[in-house]
Amino acid sequence: GENVEQHPSTLSVQEGDSAVIKCTYSDSASNYFPWYKQELGKRPQLIIDIRSNVGEKKDQRIAVTLNKTAKHFSLHITETQPEDSAVYFCAAHPGDDKIIFGKGTRLHILP
Amino acid sequence: NAGVMQNPRHLVRRRGQEARLRCSPMKGHSHVYWYRQLPEEGLKFMVYLQKENIIDESGMPKERFSAEFPKEGPSILRIQQVVRGDSAAYFCASSLIAGGNNEQFFGPGTRLTVL
Repeated sequence: GENVEQHPSTLSVQEGDSAVIKCTYSDSASNYFPWYKQELGKRPQLIIDIRSNVGEKKDQRIAVTLNKTAKHFSLHITETQPEDSAVYFCAAHPGDDKIIFGKGTRLHILP
Repeated sequence: NAGVMQNPRHLVRRRGQEARLRCSPMKGHSHVYWYRQLPEEGLKFMVYLQKENIIDESGMPKERFSAEFPKEGPSILRIQQVVRGDSAAYFCASSLIAGGNNEQFFGPGTRLTVL
C-alpha cells in the first residue's frame, strides 16, 4: 500500500524567513496530494492541494511542488508569521478512498 | 452550512468499558471516514462508510472496533472493552463525492482517554 514519508519532524524558522517541508510517496497511482495544518487541539484543515497533472501551485504565501517522476512533493511557506506555527501534514490519495498521511512536521516560528 | 460535527469532544472511559463516538457529516455528504491520531503522530485511516454500507475497513482492528452509518442519524464508531492503548483522538471526515482526490472535511475530533 501507499506509504508517505515526511521531513523534518520539527522545524524552527525565524519570523519572516521561509519554511520548506518535504514528503515522498511510494504508490505511483497516487494522484492527489493535500496538505493539512493542525493547530493544537484542533481539527486538520486543508491549506492547499495539488493534483498529479500539475507541477506547482501557489496560494499567496503558500506553494506546493510535485515531482511525479521522483515521487516527492514539498510545501513552501514564505514570509512566515507567528500564526503559521502549527503541525503540518502532507498526504496522498492512492486512487481509492482513504488519505495516507505523513507523520507531521511541527513548525515553530521564532520571534 | 454546519461543518462536520462530532460528539462527545472528550470521553473518559475505564478499561473494559465501551466507547461510542458519533459523527454527523456535512449537509449533503454521504461519505464518512474515520481516522485515529495517537499523540505526536499523523492520522491513520480506519474505515470508510456510505449510508448503510461499510466500503473499506482495512484500517480498523479486527476485534473490539466496529462502525456503522445508518440510514438515519450519525455515523457511530464503537470500541468495546477499551484498553489504555485506545487512548487517542478520533477524527471523522466527510466528502461529497466518493474516491480519491476529493476533499475530505474533518470534524473537531473526539479525544478518548482510557483510565
